[in-house]
Amino acid sequence: QSVLTQPPSVSGAPWEIVTISCTGSSATLGAGYDVHWYQQVPGAAPKLVLFNNGLRPSGVPDRFSGSKSGTSATLAITGLQPEDEATYYCQSYDRSLSTSVFGGGTKLTVL
Amino acid sequence: QVQLQQWGAGLLKPSETLSLTCAVYHGSFSGYHWNWIRQPPGKGLEWIGEINDRGSATYNPALRSRLTISIATFKNQFFLKLNSLTAADTAVYYCARAEGAVVVGASFDPWGQGAQVTVSS
Repeated sequence: QSVLTQPPSVSGAPWEIVTISCTGSSATLGAGYDVHWYQQVPGAAPKLVLFNNGLRPSGVPDRFSGSKSGTSATLAITGLQPEDEATYYCQSYDRSLSTSVFGGGTKLTVL
Repeated sequence: QVQLQQWGAGLLKPSETLSLTCAVYHGSFSGYHWNWIRQPPGKGLEWIGEINDRGSATYNPALRSRLTISIATFKNQFFLKLNSLTAADTAVYYCARAEGAVVVGASFDPWGQGAQVTVSS
């Protein structure tokens, strides 16, 4: 069981909006640590799509946005595209475990 | 654009030692933290450990007793050694760069291409 909790799967049709939640604890997000999000397609390495709760690396479309409040965070994708189909992971730090931690991953299906 | 390229033995037996290398190209080695992360088949991601450009390493407590991460700054490379392997260590192993230490909750970008490691008798 992952320290950060994500729904196993979400889906949406092209051009719709989807959100993926990431729930932590007082030792992770609630302690003030930032959350980061990665996109992974099968057979490839994860790719950073959001860092520090909602900042986009160069080259990531502005359809990707994020927020954090308390012990939870959300990744939102607007105007869903077929190429967004992937597994998304959230990541933060756990001060009680003294380790970086990831969510279990959410598989996004574009219908 | 910085690129990470990794390599190492893919098929190992229980009790053997895993050795992986990650080379950093087209970017500075200094001022960053260099990480190892693994992903068991069909599962999520597990942070293994990091090392900074001065050679100071921080390890996942769950793996610390079996783990050594080192660097060769003059070659822009860093290394992973994990001993006493079991089948539970079977995973794709990734190297990745971070702009800050793990204790500040830094993100990982970019990542190496990954190396499949299988532990089987």
